[in-house]
Amino acid sequence: QQPVQSPQAVILREGEDAVINCSSSKALYSVHWYRQKHGEAPVFLMILLKGGEQKGHEKISASFNEKKQQSSLYLTASQLSYSGTYFCGTQTQGGSEKLVFGKGTKLTVNP
Amino acid sequence: NAGVMQNPRHLVRRRGQEARLRCSPMKGHSHVYWYRQLPEEGLKFMVYLQKENIIDESGMPKERFSAEFPKEGPSILRIQQVVRGDSAAYFCASSRSTGNTGELFFGEGSRLTVL
Repeated sequence: QQPVQSPQAVILREGEDAVINCSSSKALYSVHWYRQKHGEAPVFLMILLKGGEQKGHEKISASFNEKKQQSSLYLTASQLSYSGTYFCGTQTQGGSEKLVFGKGTKLTVNP
Repeated sequence: NAGVMQNPRHLVRRRGQEARLRCSPMKGHSHVYWYRQLPEEGLKFMVYLQKENIIDESGMPKERFSAEFPKEGPSILRIQQVVRGDSAAYFCASSRSTGNTGELFFGEGSRLTVL
């Protein structure tokens, strides 16, 4: 089952914060976050494993609420380079199991 | 350490022709995944392969599409008798053979246009 991302799109000014949500109807083992810039390959940001771990990457962090089957990606003090489409990918078993991606959230950061 | 290499980057085919997309995973990776992406849409899983084995092809259309990952050489996604609806970006990703955390490394994609 494809995870659901919200919002579909966000427009920010440089320095503002944003939260992107990812929810699943199935119990999850892990949530992965990727960023894709237009015309480029998706790039890995972070993995969150069940247990509610919060991981960080530069000024981007994320949480995973196992009970609610939800993950949130937090972008603080956004930079122009953060623009792109953010995808969450989910696994129910982990390891080399395929990732099922949401439809993405398009983030635009303006000067 | 070279990343995931895909070729061709762009491919134009007429309806009814065949398209072959190649993917060489990162060194030390033996898991290959193919995803399809339509404009303004997400990455849709197609197939997961290990060397000489198809592990999960639940996302592959039943007809015209096939994939392989031979013992030697790149993984190949083959689309026979292409139709306009096959126009998309096809991304290949690989993951590690051991200590696999599930992180995928994506290639730059192959963009197929069917005329």
